[in-house]
Amino acid sequence: QQQVKQSPQSLIVQKGGISIINCAYENTAFDYFPWYQQFPGKGPALLIAIRPDVSEKKEGRFTISFNKSAKQFSLHIMDSQPGDSATYFCAAIPQAYGQNFVFGPGTRLSVLP
Amino acid sequence: NAGVTQTPKFRVLKTGQSMTLLCAQDMNHEYMYWYRQDPGMGLRLIHYSVGEGTTAKGEVPDGYNVSRLKKQNFLLGLESAAPSQTSVYFCASSRTTRGEYNEQFFGPGTRLTVL
Repeated sequence: QQQVKQSPQSLIVQKGGISIINCAYENTAFDYFPWYQQFPGKGPALLIAIRPDVSEKKEGRFTISFNKSAKQFSLHIMDSQPGDSATYFCAAIPQAYGQNFVFGPGTRLSVLP
Repeated sequence: NAGVTQTPKFRVLKTGQSMTLLCAQDMNHEYMYWYRQDPGMGLRLIHYSVGEGTTAKGEVPDGYNVSRLKKQNFLLGLESAAPSQTSVYFCASSRTTRGEYNEQFFGPGTRLTVL
């Protein structure tokens, strides 16, 4: 119940295409869903996040879509660029104090020039 | 601001050896974390600290010990390294543990190989 599932494991997209990464969770106590981006040789960094009271959040070319009833959320990268090539982790955490993140297994994205 | 730093960056150990990984943060964050990253497993929490002098177990604590003697430092120790501990280790810190305000700042990682 604590797991966050993520797919696909790896993704190859042409420059200018749309990259889509999906995540699903079971624990209904989760109510904050961030995405972290990790470039090779670096630590992860917060990219974008969403609360379940909204169905979509957009920041530049990055959009999170959230389906509370299905307990699923996804990251869309529009106009994907080679510089977006990285590993993406979805995560979930309850809003209450003292809780810890549960991370998905990650998706390695490669954007071809 | 250096953010979160980790030393060393790389280390090779033989089975049974011990070592300590050092994490330091200059953001005055109360909370600090140690994760390990393995292919297909994502980031798994080893131990964490909610303040100077306090530590707690995470998801995969066995074989590791931690200490937080100073607010800015969080040490991860391996007393008797095993090949199963070959991994990339990340330290992180955060200002708070409350959901949407709990942005975790990660260090660059330590790649550990246990032969």
